[in-house]
Amino acid sequence: EPEVTQTPSHQVTQMGQEVILRCVPISNHLYFYWYRQILGQKVEFLVSFYNNEISEKSEIFDDQFSVERPDGSNFTLKIRSTKLEDSAMYFCASSWGPKNIQYFGAGTRLSVL
Amino acid sequence: AQSVTQPDIHITVSEGASLELRCNYSYGATPYLFWYVQSPGQGLQLLLKYFSGDTLVQGIKGFEAEFKRSQSSFNLRKPSVHWSDAAEYFCAVGAPGAGGTSYGKLTFGQGTILTVHP
Repeated sequence: EPEVTQTPSHQVTQMGQEVILRCVPISNHLYFYWYRQILGQKVEFLVSFYNNEISEKSEIFDDQFSVERPDGSNFTLKIRSTKLEDSAMYFCASSWGPKNIQYFGAGTRLSVL
Repeated sequence: AQSVTQPDIHITVSEGASLELRCNYSYGATPYLFWYVQSPGQGLQLLLKYFSGDTLVQGIKGFEAEFKRSQSSFNLRKPSVHWSDAAEYFCAVGAPGAGGTSYGKLTFGQGTILTVHP
């Protein structure tokens, strides 16, 4: 069964450093998403991406965050200058359409020290 | 704005017992609703979804859920729990994006951790 792949599974970084979280969505999917889950809290929507542009973003997704689909297979989330409060599990998801099932990756745990 | 409440943070049941996990949502229009399950170290796996039609939906692993508009609820049920069902369960509501176009943003509940005793 096709799956969404995220790398790395765990990323440790120093505060102020840039990180790039990588995702390979399911190949024929058109909609891409990032969510995050701070330990003990809800899974929160960050951003949706369709047709090579951001469709919607949450208040969390400020200027420190950016997304990109650099080629036909990867979907990345960049945090320019990480803060301690960015420590969380980041989930990538993809779907064929906006009302279709979103398939989630296993997540990248980001630890900012 | 839409919201989802899962009142039970942690539920413990015995293997073979029935299970009901509660989910209440707040949304101004007809929602589409999901239940996802997350095992340790795994991603979120879809158990079932409701978009329209029959309010009782069947999912994988013997789970079902019933959409009750009058109660704004979408409770998850299973008649007989197996030890392998121990995991965290998330209810989510899908909502249109800005301008009324649906881009699929999901709003999740807090999650319910299920422990199964042998």
